[in-house]
Amino acid sequence: QKEVEQNSGPLSVPEGAIASLNCTYSDRGSQSFFWYRQYSGKSPELIMSIYSNGDKEDGRFTAQLNKASQYVSLLIRDSQPSDSATYLCAVKANTDKLIFGTGTRLQVFP
Amino acid sequence: DAMVIQNPRYQVTQFGKPVTLSCSQTLNHNVMYWYQQKSSQAPKLLFHYYDKDFNNEADTPDNFQSRRPNTSFCFLDIRSPGLGDAAMYLCATRGGGMSYNEQFFGPGTRLTVL
Repeated sequence: QKEVEQNSGPLSVPEGAIASLNCTYSDRGSQSFFWYRQYSGKSPELIMSIYSNGDKEDGRFTAQLNKASQYVSLLIRDSQPSDSATYLCAVKANTDKLIFGTGTRLQVFP
Repeated sequence: DAMVIQNPRYQVTQFGKPVTLSCSQTLNHNVMYWYQQKSSQAPKLLFHYYDKDFNNEADTPDNFQSRRPNTSFCFLDIRSPGLGDAAMYLCATRGGGMSYNEQFFGPGTRLTVL
């Protein structure tokens, strides 16, 4: 079983729709959860971090965490073509290291 | 602006010819990481420094070495690059203030091995 799992996609949504990206993790000791956006050929960019159960909103982005279900998600409202990228879920337990998923490719079409 | 800088952005080397990639940061973060990322794969952690303490991943080949002469700089040395080492190499930092748990990546160095 992979430690952090994501659907590889592509997830295709029309412009203006809500994109929902999901991630599950296996280590119940995980404490910190992150979403990175990575454009093709570029480095990952941190867009959201979440540490406690519930929702965290930042602009068009909402991260949701459910530790009991070992599930973290990212919602992107009013999706734009510029949101087309690969979204990496990353999880940190009580170590210095992040465990990354393989990413979900999002395509937003006009 | 505080940032993570990697040089060069693109590096071409020949099979077996040593290469050094550099990373510098103005964030004064105490943790620095080196990752390898191949196409459509997750970043793979090679090693990291917590201050001067070096932490190697168990599956990092001996061909990869690192140096951190001071807080600001970290180097990745590939002693004898093989074709399988062609990848994007990412430096990241972590530490300090409200964002203590967050890792910030540099722009990466794309390595090509001929």
